[in-house]
Amino acid sequence: GENVEQHPSTLSVQEGDSAVIKCTYSDSASNYFPWYKQELGKGPQLIIDIRSNVGEKKDQRIAVTLNKTAKHFSLHITETQPEDSAVYFCAAPRRGQGNLIFGKGTKLSVKP
Amino acid sequence: EAQVTQNPRYLITVTGKKLTVTCSQNMNHEYMSWYRQDPGLGLRQIYYSMNVEVTDKGDVPEGYKVSRKEKRNFPLILESPSPNQTSLYFCASSLQGRSTEAFFGQGTRLTVV
Repeated sequence: GENVEQHPSTLSVQEGDSAVIKCTYSDSASNYFPWYKQELGKGPQLIIDIRSNVGEKKDQRIAVTLNKTAKHFSLHITETQPEDSAVYFCAAPRRGQGNLIFGKGTKLSVKP
Repeated sequence: EAQVTQNPRYLITVTGKKLTVTCSQNMNHEYMSWYRQDPGLGLRQIYYSMNVEVTDKGDVPEGYKVSRKEKRNFPLILESPSPNQTSLYFCASSLQGRSTEAFFGQGTRLTVV
C-alpha cells in the first residue's frame, strides 16, 4: 500500500550544526509535501511545504528540497538552536482520497 | 484567534464506558480529521470528513465513530473503549483537505483502564 517513510527516527546535533531529515513517498502523482513540527505537549504545526512544480523552498533557516524522480523530499535546518528540538513529521497526499499520509516522525535534539 | 479546540485535554476512563471527545474549529474549514499518535507509529488517521455529512475511514477506524452535523464540529465517539485505544488523539482541520495547511488541536490524552 501507499507509504511515507521517514528517516532517521531520532537525530541529535550540536547547536549551530545542520540537521537533515529525509522522506520517501510511493505515489508518483503526489504534488504537495508539508513538514510539521510538534513541540512537547502541543499539536503539530506546519513549518514549511513544497509543491511539485518547484525543487526547493526556503524560509530563513529551514528549507525543503524535492526530487520527484527519486520520490523523496528532505527538510534542512541550518544553524540549529535548542528551540528547534521537537518531533518533525513529513506528509504526502494519499492517492484518490482527500487525506494525507504522515511519516512516523523524527525526534530532533539540539544540544547547547 | 483561529484555532482548533479539543476537549477534554486529559481523560481516564474504564473499559466499555462510552465517551466522546469534542473538536471545534472557527476557521470555516471544510475538511476535518482525527488522528491518534502512538510511540513509534507516528500519526495515524482514524476518520476524516470533507464536508458536512460526508465522512470516511482513515487507516485505523475500528472502534471509533464520528459525525459531522455542523461544519465547525467533528466529535470522536468511542462506543466501548478498550485499553488498546489508550493514546494521544489530535483533531485537525484544513481549508480544502490534503493540499492545504492542516491546523491541529492541542491533543487529548486518553487512558482506558
